[in-house]
Amino acid sequence: SQKIEQNSEALNIQEGKTATLTCNYTNYSPAYLQWYRQDPGRGPVFLLLIRENEKEKRKERLKVTFDTTLKQSLFHITASQPADSATYLCAPQRFGTDKLIFGTGTRLQVFP
Amino acid sequence: GAVVSQHPSWVICKSGTSVKIECRSLDFQATTMFWYRQFPKQSLMLMATSNEGSKATYEQGVEKDKFLINHASLTLSTLTVTSAHPEDSSFYICSTVQGTEAFFGQGTRLTVV
Repeated sequence: SQKIEQNSEALNIQEGKTATLTCNYTNYSPAYLQWYRQDPGRGPVFLLLIRENEKEKRKERLKVTFDTTLKQSLFHITASQPADSATYLCAPQRFGTDKLIFGTGTRLQVFP
Repeated sequence: GAVVSQHPSWVICKSGTSVKIECRSLDFQATTMFWYRQFPKQSLMLMATSNEGSKATYEQGVEKDKFLINHASLTLSTLTVTSAHPEDSSFYICSTVQGTEAFFGQGTRLTVV
């Protein structure tokens, strides 16, 4: 069956460092992979989408990679700030469907 | 992007009663809406896909008679939790997709006592 796994443990890093979050999937052939941010008690907010034919995508301090051979996406936040503290969710997405199935989520805590 | 308004943001109900949650797409005609449930410290679990003018499609393991979904117009989808029990206490959230990006409502915290 399909499985989407993210770092299950919370990730604690110091302000200014780069945070790297992992998303692994099995029994899946996504055409896209999306990353969302969720703050407590709120709905997720879209961050980035990367396509299967793209190796890397950047947006300001964010960088996403997509390795379809390893079935893995990495999400990087450079020069992290306490305001980046949140839960980050990945969602591999098949072509032709709007349905999003989310990974387990990784809670990131950036401390001063 | 699309603006999705969900109401109420929180509700407390007695065991055995039913609760209706509304999800409105304010600036976008949403033919499809998705309903998720999220337990504390867990990820979003897709419950069902709501289709305007037709029956909802439920994910495996979700009881359609317990979680009634109605999508009567392009701007409104509702989820009714029928005969709610304490184990139904959770965070319920709707979303719609515009392009490839999903837009979420604010969520509804349901507590069944």
